[in-house]
Amino acid sequence: AQSVTQLGSHVSVSEGALVLLRCNYSSSVPPYLFWYVQYPNQGLQLLLKYTSAATLVKGINGFEAEFKKSETSFHLTKPSAHMSDAAEYFCAVSAAGTASKLTFGTGTRLQVTL
Amino acid sequence: DAGVIQSPRHEVTEMGQEVTLRCKPISGHNSLFWYRQTMMRGLELLIYFNNNVPIDDSGMPEDRFSAKMPNASFSTLKIQPSEPRDSAVYFCASSSPTSGVSEQYFGPGTRLTVT
Repeated sequence: AQSVTQLGSHVSVSEGALVLLRCNYSSSVPPYLFWYVQYPNQGLQLLLKYTSAATLVKGINGFEAEFKKSETSFHLTKPSAHMSDAAEYFCAVSAAGTASKLTFGTGTRLQVTL
Repeated sequence: DAGVIQSPRHEVTEMGQEVTLRCKPISGHNSLFWYRQTMMRGLELLIYFNNNVPIDDSGMPEDRFSAKMPNASFSTLKIQPSEPRDSAVYFCASSSPTSGVSEQYFGPGTRLTVT
């Protein structure tokens, strides 16, 4: 079975500051890991994914995440926050090779202030 | 590609009425998922299909909920009778895990309000 834990349901940063959203996973088999973003009144959009290739994954909108097996982590970062990054972010995990069922975290709401 | 299409986008109904939500997955995708999102419970997987066959419906809250996928391009989620606690945003997502990579693509959601 797989699970993810997102630390911090709300994160607030100033515009231009570093964004760090935390995700730890649990999986008995090699995982695939994902970050999704949800803007108000919209569906979830894929930001990036880890599929056992490079451990540092770059996604859309300047976001990236690093897979650290020793820490069972897949934290999402962006060097400089923009007002348009305000949204809810979800980490998700699936078992490699399965029929694509994802297990989502509870989400982190990112607020960006001036 | 048009993406995942859901209809209606908004539905307001009275308690006891039947509600049918519709989803058209991305062409060529063979897995389809129904989720429910609320403030209290977050994002919950209700049911998912592979090749039109229901694989896991353990998330369906009770017998009032049913889902069908009669063909590869259409799925419905039905609630009968509806109750106020069913008010939520319902998302449909599809994926094509044939390559072993299983990201899901979400539709815009249907916001259901039961009064």
